Amino acid sequence: GQQLNQSPQSMFIQEGEDVSMNCTSSSIFNTWLWYKQEPGEGPVLLIALYKAGELTSNGRLTAQFGITRKDSFLNISASIPSDVGIYFCAGRVRQGAQKLVFGQGTRLTINP
Amino acid sequence: NAGVTQTPKFQVLKTGQSMTLQCAQDMNHEYMSWYRQDPGMGLRLIHYSVGAGITDQGEVPNGYNVSRSTTEDFPLRLLSAAPSQTSVYFCASSSFGVRLGTDTQYFGPGTRLTVL
Repeated sequence: GQQLNQSPQSMFIQEGEDVSMNCTSSSIFNTWLWYKQEPGEGPVLLIALYKAGELTSNGRLTAQFGITRKDSFLNISASIPSDVGIYFCAGRVRQGAQKLVFGQGTRLTINP
Repeated sequence: NAGVTQTPKFQVLKTGQSMTLQCAQDMNHEYMSWYRQDPGMGLRLIHYSVGAGITDQGEVPNGYNVSRSTTEDFPLRLLSAAPSQTSVYFCASSSFGVRLGTDTQYFGPGTRLTVL
C-alpha cells in the first residue's frame, strides 16, 4: 500500500528557532494535508495543499506542495512554546476523496 | 455546536467481547471516517462513509463493522475484540467545498481502548 515517510521523527529546538519538516511518498498525491496533534487530543487540520508547487501559509506556518507531487514540506517560523506537539502529514490520491494516508509524525519539543 | 463527539473516552475489554464506539457530528458534514492510532505511528483508516447509507473499507478494516443510518452518527463496532485492537480510535467528520476547492475536517477527542 501507499506509504508516507515523514522526517525528522523528532526535533528538539530552542524557542525562537525556525523548524522544517518534510514528507515523501512513493506515490503521486493530488492533495497534501498537515495536522498538529497535542497530547490527549485529536489532530487539528492546519494547512491543505491542492496544486503542485503551491505555497500556503497559516500564521507562522508555511507548507509547500512539492513539484514532483511526491513530497510536501512544513516550516514553522520563530517557534513558541505552544508549537509543541506532533505534526502529521497526510496525502490523498484524488481531491475530495476520503482515503487519507498519514505519515508517522514529527514530534516537536521546544526548550524555552 | 459541539463538533465531533466520541464516547466512551476510555474502555477496557476482554478478548472476545464486542462493543460499539460512538461518534456524532453536528456540522451536517457528508463525510465521516474512523482511524486508529498506535504508538509511534500515524493514523490508519479503518472505514469511512461518504453519506448516509454509504460506507467503504479503509486500510485496516478487518475486525470492525460500521453503518451510517443518519448524517450525524457513525458508530464503529468491534465484533470480537482482540489484543491487537488495543489502540486510540479517532472519528473524523469532513466536507469538501467544491466551489472553493477546500477541505473542512474535524477530529473527535478519541477513545482509548485496551483489550486484555
